[in-house]
Amino acid sequence: ETGVTQTPRHLVMGMTNKKSLKCEQHLGHNAMYWYKQSAKKPLELMFVYNFKEQTENNSVPSRFSPECPNSSHLFLHLHTLQPEDSALYLCASSPQRASTDTQYFGPGTRLTVL
Amino acid sequence: AQSVAQPEDQVNVAEGNPLTVKCTYSVSGNPYLFWYVQYPNRGLQFLLKYITGDNLVKGSYGFEAEFNKSQTSFHLKKPSALVSDSALYFCAVRDDRSTLGRLYFGRGTQLTVWP
Repeated sequence: ETGVTQTPRHLVMGMTNKKSLKCEQHLGHNAMYWYKQSAKKPLELMFVYNFKEQTENNSVPSRFSPECPNSSHLFLHLHTLQPEDSALYLCASSPQRASTDTQYFGPGTRLTVL
Repeated sequence: AQSVAQPEDQVNVAEGNPLTVKCTYSVSGNPYLFWYVQYPNRGLQFLLKYITGDNLVKGSYGFEAEFNKSQTSFHLKKPSALVSDSALYFCAVRDDRSTLGRLYFGRGTQLTVWP
């Protein structure tokens, strides 16, 4: 897991707060992803970046705002979240966006919205 | 449409016995198949993948998976289970016709290995 790191590991926030999740990959990859993992549900792909450009937004509410300043860093800015947004947020990276490429995941940020 | 089914939410097996975690898939083109494992409070760890070639794929920690095109399955197996194998296992698929490279995950199977 040292290849992809995420901070913070745990976050508790109120519905009116603004916070950011950070992801950093040390693998030299060019594609990065945000996923949401909720209990008893399949992983939900949220955003995809390829060479710093957003290539996919999977109908995510605007209260989630991604940022990718370079190929190694990915942020997820959070504001006015709802309790149902509580979940494990996983970052992943892959060499490219190719179908054969393996995605490598970080440890996740456990988010609780009060 | 692409999809993955893991028909068992829970698999229980005694230590030392063989284990199987089932996965079936649906794609329009040819499948690229992946297995991941997730330990508590951790991210997903890559175990193995099938892209092409030999239908039996060997991966990390003694796991292997067999691709069966006629049955559209990619079951994960291990000859002798360890207590430390207890975790949540995810199967995932991509379609070789997909230009987006999106991975579709199953809901996961909780494996418990009893000592």
